[in-house]
Amino acid sequence: DTEVTQTPKHLVMGMTNKKSLKCEQHMGHRAMYWYKQKAKKPPELMFVYSYEKLSINESVPSRFSPECPNSSLLNLHLHALQPEDSALYLCASSQDATGNSPLHFGNGTRLTVT
Amino acid sequence: KNQVEQSPQSLIILEGKNCTLQCNYTVSPFSNLRWYKQDTGRGPVSLTIMTFSENTKSNGRYTATLDADTKQSSLHITASQLSDSASYICVVSDIYNTDKLIFGTGTRLQVFP
Repeated sequence: DTEVTQTPKHLVMGMTNKKSLKCEQHMGHRAMYWYKQKAKKPPELMFVYSYEKLSINESVPSRFSPECPNSSLLNLHLHALQPEDSALYLCASSQDATGNSPLHFGNGTRLTVT
Repeated sequence: KNQVEQSPQSLIILEGKNCTLQCNYTVSPFSNLRWYKQDTGRGPVSLTIMTFSENTKSNGRYTATLDADTKQSSLHITASQLSDSASYICVVSDIYNTDKLIFGTGTRLQVFP
């Protein structure tokens, strides 16, 4: 088990649905990340939150909306997704956003868009 | 363009044998290099993280080396176990974009009994 908890583990949604992915860590980390990973590919950065403020948005379509309610929680709100958005969505955290501390990843949410 | 290349793409070894995975990068100016292990369907787990001044770092049976002059790193696995079957990903960051880690495409290792 990892110290970064993601729920749900699996999600199937239609293109008109609205759903949310949740991520939680209690390590006192101040940077949190969303990554998208397609099969046999490396993770791709989507968003970075540093001290609860969005610091990086890698030109992600607006159908993905991140939210950081507090330093321990990170959500990813999904709306009107496309089948090509099906992937493993990984949340990660690190002590800070300086890039010198290791990322701790959750085990991801496997998303299927039908 | 900052890139991270790994070789081989895949590797099959017998249990108990040693193996070495390679990582070459063009990232500059270099900040640090990490090795992650990712089991199928799970998130990556950090093995090592090395800065410019470090040449080698170990984590149990995993030993990473770094040559910042030639921009090469290797991950050596000693006395492989079945549980070592996974993808191993080399990740590099540059000084100016420390949040935007550059991931290699990974080496898929399979250990057979």
